[in-house]
Amino acid sequence: EDQVTQSPEALRLQEGESSSLNCSYTVSGLRGLFWYRQDPGKGPEFLFTLYSAGEEKEKERLKATLTKKESFLHITAPKPEDSATYLCAVQAGTNAGKSTFGDGTTLTVKP
Amino acid sequence: NAGVTQTPKFRILKIGQSMTLQCTQDMNHNYMYWYRQDPGMGLKLIYYSVGAGITDKGEVPNGYNVSRSTTEDFPLRLLSAAPSQTSVYFCASSPRDRVYEQYFGPGTRLTVT
Repeated sequence: EDQVTQSPEALRLQEGESSSLNCSYTVSGLRGLFWYRQDPGKGPEFLFTLYSAGEEKEKERLKATLTKKESFLHITAPKPEDSATYLCAVQAGTNAGKSTFGDGTTLTVKP
Repeated sequence: NAGVTQTPKFRILKIGQSMTLQCTQDMNHNYMYWYRQDPGMGLKLIYYSVGAGITDKGEVPNGYNVSRSTTEDFPLRLLSAAPSQTSVYFCASSPRDRVYEQYFGPGTRLTVT
């Protein structure tokens, strides 16, 4: 059974204080790992897909990296508007469409 | 281009009642999904569809049913509401060539009492 574990559950940062969110996974035959951002009361918004170990993707202050066992979402000099819950998910095996999500990390950035 | 729309936004059901959650997308996406999200938790896949006429079970399908008669619509039916089905339900879609890039609707908040 595919498993995705995100840590920490919650992270509080001061504006400008860089940090990383972790997503560790146990799957058989990774097809892709993806990151989403979810604001309170809204649906998740797609950020990145990573396909293989060593791959990196960047978007503004966010950078996602992938190893064979985990992914990191690095946040550089965060701003209050980066406050949200960040969800990690994987797809594995032969069933394209079946995703397993982690429980998310709730990030709060204080001004 | 409205993206993924869901109705209703909120609903309160009594135990044993049935209802249908509506989901429509106007992006001509092949893949569509239904998830539930309990407080403080991630998303659990209920059902998904890779195209009209094709559906498959996800992680937590018990108590639900789906159909996909058109590319645009993917309704989710609760057969006999139970308190354990109190949750926020999200519909999503993705294109065939970028299947991992899912676009989510705004969600339906369902309470069963």
